[in-house]
Amino acid sequence: EVQLLESGGGLVQPGGSLRLSCAASGFTFTTYAMTWVRQAPGKGLEWVSVISASGGKTFYADSVKGRFTVSKDSSTNTLYLQMNSLRAEDTAVYYCAKQISGYDSSVDYWGQGTLVTVSS
Amino acid sequence: SYVLTQPPSVSVAPGKTAKITCGGDNIGSHSVHWHQQKPGQAPVVVISSDSDRPSGIPERFSASNSGNTATLTISRVEAGDEADYYCQVWDSSPDHMVFGGGTKLTVL
Repeated sequence: EVQLLESGGGLVQPGGSLRLSCAASGFTFTTYAMTWVRQAPGKGLEWVSVISASGGKTFYADSVKGRFTVSKDSSTNTLYLQMNSLRAEDTAVYYCAKQISGYDSSVDYWGQGTLVTVSS
Repeated sequence: SYVLTQPPSVSVAPGKTAKITCGGDNIGSHSVHWHQQKPGQAPVVVISSDSDRPSGIPERFSASNSGNTATLTISRVEAGDEADYYCQVWDSSPDHMVFGGGTKLTVL
């Protein structure tokens, strides 16, 4: 059974940093691309970043480019999102998701999400 | 950047058919995926790659994609189908995943 468990969310001040983790199990982590999607309170889904199966390719939404970094550790089957220079508008539930195959494929499993609140 | 347009809301009576549209420039050339999100829950994929239904998703869910419009069709709507529905594509120019704004399905 595929499981994705996010952690690392919390309250952070504007300009601060946070690292989100997503522990993956139930599938071969090195075979599938992984993505981060966020949802601000009361708003729709917004794609944040994707990393290819090998980790060799990464892409970012314009709203986070240069501030966020996605990575994966295949030895621990963990996906990460390093978030720097956080802004109030980054406040959201952050979901990690597994994709069917490559980075341009559909998501097939979603995690339950972790809440990030950026506020002073 | 590529834009996907969905109606904010659709209402349907139980047992009837709901159609949720997703408009985009030549969206028929993209592979469209549909996600269902019930209140307080994480999204769930209901349709991938235009028309593939993941295991566990009822046959009542189907989809089509042609020209400038993709459509999610839910037949014999049940109260449990009430949720927000999002269409999603991958745009290669630039390499971005794109979501529609979402459609709230209300079962009357």
